[in-house]
Amino acid sequence: GAGVSQSPSNKVTEKGKDVELRCDPISGHTALYWYRQSLGQGLEFLIYFQGNSAPDKSGLPSDRFSAERTGGSVSTLTIQRTQQEDSAVYLCASSLAPLDSYEQYFGPGTRLTVT
Amino acid sequence: AQKITQTQPGMFVQEKEAVTLDCTYDTSDQSYGLFWYKQPSSGEMIFLIYQGSYDEQNATEGRYSLNFQKARKSANLVISASQLGDSAMYFCAMRGTSGSARQLTFGSGTQLTVLP
Repeated sequence: GAGVSQSPSNKVTEKGKDVELRCDPISGHTALYWYRQSLGQGLEFLIYFQGNSAPDKSGLPSDRFSAERTGGSVSTLTIQRTQQEDSAVYLCASSLAPLDSYEQYFGPGTRLTVT
Repeated sequence: AQKITQTQPGMFVQEKEAVTLDCTYDTSDQSYGLFWYKQPSSGEMIFLIYQGSYDEQNATEGRYSLNFQKARKSANLVISASQLGDSAMYFCAMRGTSGSARQLTFGSGTQLTVLP
């Protein structure tokens, strides 16, 4: 079946512009996660959705970052007034449910470059 | 808070030999899950293996096995009969049961290179 998809695959934007990153999880997966991976680093957790709600937004690095999920499916991560330090690969993952035995399936990521 | 430590930034192994990638963790949760992911140069994260904290047997998936030593808080990945296609970054991760986020906490990764 179809895996997690993300769009765009690459985004180059000027400092100060807003960007929207999209994630389409695997059908039927109720849990959705956003992570950020800076060059040569591990993954940094940003936000988690169970259905349409985000119980914990503490991973978002600043109030310029926001995310929403509609219909229990597609999620959008928005970064306002982008800064150069926002440059990274943004990965989305989904799992059947937020149980510790369920693996998370990752999308291919969106590579964001802020110039 | 949870923490994953991978102390080997890079590892080399000869093709067809076995290799162990180290992972230690720290958590106050009684119940937790441990995961290994592979990230090739193409960037996708590929799930390899899972070990639950209450599982008595070490997890195995094909050529991958997880050497779980709970008292030492270690969850090393063993790859047997290495292949050239195993060259990639490998991440150890854990998910606890406290808090509401249920996110994975990742280590910094180990870059494995398989030599012909």
